[in-house]
Amino acid sequence: AQKVTQAQTEISVVEKEDVTLDCVYETRDTTYYLFWYKQPPSGELVFLIRRNSFDEQNEISGRYSWNFQKSTSSFNFTITASQVVDSAVYFCALSEGLYRDDKIIFGKGTRLHILP
Amino acid sequence: DSGVTQTPKHLITATGQRVTLRCSPRSGDLSVYWYQQSLDQGLQFLIQYYNGEERAKGNILERFSAQQFPDLHSELNLSSLELGDSALYFCASSAIWDRGNTEAFFGQGTRLTVV
Repeated sequence: AQKVTQAQTEISVVEKEDVTLDCVYETRDTTYYLFWYKQPPSGELVFLIRRNSFDEQNEISGRYSWNFQKSTSSFNFTITASQVVDSAVYFCALSEGLYRDDKIIFGKGTRLHILP
Repeated sequence: DSGVTQTPKHLITATGQRVTLRCSPRSGDLSVYWYQQSLDQGLQFLIQYYNGEERAKGNILERFSAQQFPDLHSELNLSSLELGDSALYFCASSAIWDRGNTEAFFGQGTRLTVV
């Protein structure tokens, strides 16, 4: 069965520090998709990234970077030089398969506080 | 703006009542997902429809039901409401999955308060 674990429930860092949010997943499939979503205080869910299981290349987008490691079933998210606007709840999520049961299962989220 | 529209944004109702939440997916998206976000349970997957048919079911209560109509909009019906049903209900939509494309886009959510 699919499962996503975000062990860090809450993290506080001072602005400009780097912070890494951990995500560990479980799946029985060889083809799956991993996601990160951001939920700012306003409540909407904002898509950040989608990664296919067959693409282990790490990705960088501005201050955001993602480290996908199949060997440890992890998909960690790093924010470099954090800013107060990064304060939000961040969700890691997983979807299995193609053309069948492709529901997206979320971790419980990590609440990130960036202190000025 | 994700392109997914949920109505209403806020809903306050009494225990025992029935409500309907509506979701209009992004243009062209065939899949619709419903999620419940409560303080203690996180984002719980409820149900998914694909082109009018139920595709996957999560921990959806028997008091809850959903459907997707021919125009692809979806409705989530919640009945015999209890205080514990108070939550933020999200709808998401996605296009046909393929190896190089798509992700689920979420609406702004409907905040349901049962009093």
